[in-house]
This record gives sequence, structure tokens and C-alpha cells, in this order.
Amino acid sequence: AQRVTQPEKLLSVFKGAPVELKCNYSYSGSPELFWYVQYSRQRLQLLLRHISRESIKGFTADLNKGETSFHLKKPFAQEEDSAMYYCALSRGAQKLVFGQGTRLTINP
Amino acid sequence: DVKVTQSSRYLVKRTGEKVFLECVQDMDHENMFWYRQDPGLGLRLIYFSYDVKMKEKGDIPEGYSVSREKKERFSLILESASTNQTSMYLCASSPAWEDTQYFGPGTRLTVL
Repeated sequence: AQRVTQPEKLLSVFKGAPVELKCNYSYSGSPELFWYVQYSRQRLQLLLRHISRESIKGFTADLNKGETSFHLKKPFAQEEDSAMYYCALSRGAQKLVFGQGTRLTINP
Repeated sequence: DVKVTQSSRYLVKRTGEKVFLECVQDMDHENMFWYRQDPGLGLRLIYFSYDVKMKEKGDIPEGYSVSREKKERFSLILESASTNQTSMYLCASSPAWEDTQYFGPGTRLTVL
């Protein structure tokens, strides 16, 4: 069965410190993975997808098929990065399965 | 810019009431989805639709139904609301053959 696991419900780091939000998945096929973000009082929106191989707002995510992971990283956290982050896996037919979410707090 | 709107931001209903949640998208997307968002559980798919009058069950369809009479509108119906349906409900849409979904602002439903 397709599953996405985000082991950390809460993550707190200081401004300027590196950030890593963990995401592990289980999927038998070739996965397509996404990170979505929800800032306070805003709608859920796409942050990045692995096939784009791009950096958005300083965030990157590398798909590691051996470890079945898609961790989200940023070298220097900023206060505006505080948000709820969801990792998601495409399970075919345009359907997504989401992880439980990680609430990231950046302390000044 | 894709716009997905939901009829209410906050809704309070009583147990046993029939509840309608409306979602409209203005980008001519074929696919539409209804999720509920609960702390610690993430987003769970309730129902989805690939086209007008088409609907498919998601992971947690029990207690819900949907209607898609027009391409731009996808309604979620709680036939008889119960307290365990208190949640944040998110609507999303996407173009055909596209995995990226665009979300509405959500409706926070409280069932008393």
C-alpha cells in the first residue's frame, strides 16, 4: 500500500540554522513526490516536486530511492519559513496520499 | 492564477443535520477532490471526480456523498452530520493528467 510517513509532528529550529524535514514513503512503482506548505491563515500550496529538481524559497528535496526518502532541506532557516509542511506521493490517476504533516517553527 | 473557492470559512451545525459544502474552481480543471484535514492525521481523501457526473470514493467516504453537476462545482454532502465529522474540509482541483493540486481556503466545520 502507498504510504507517506513524516516522523516529526513538530520541529523547532533557530533562525539561520539548517532545517531538515523528514519524509519516508512506501510505493512499489516509480514515485512522484511533492512538498506542500501551509502558512498561517493561508491555503495549502505546492512548494516543490521532485521531478522539477528546482529550489523554491531556498528549499530543496532529493529523492533517495534506496532509503525511500524525500527529505526537505534548507541551509539557513528564516522566520517566514514557519508553517505546516506536508509530504505527498502520487499514487496514480492524479491522486495524492499525504503524510501526517510537520509543523515547523523558526525561533528568532 | 488558479482560484478555488469554498462557500464558507466556518460552519456550525447540529448532529443529524444535512450539510452541504460547496467548492468552485475557475480554471476549467477536470479533476476535483475533497479532503478532510485533522491534526496528526494529515489530509485524507474523501471523494474525487474526474469529470462532470463522475465520482469515485477516496479513502474515507463513509458518511459522505458528493455531487458534480457542472465542471466547475463539486459539492460535499454530509447526509446526517455527526460529531466525529467535525474537521477542516479542503477542496482541490487539478487539470487532467496533472498531479499538482490547487487548494481552496478550507471550511472549518463544527458539529455540535
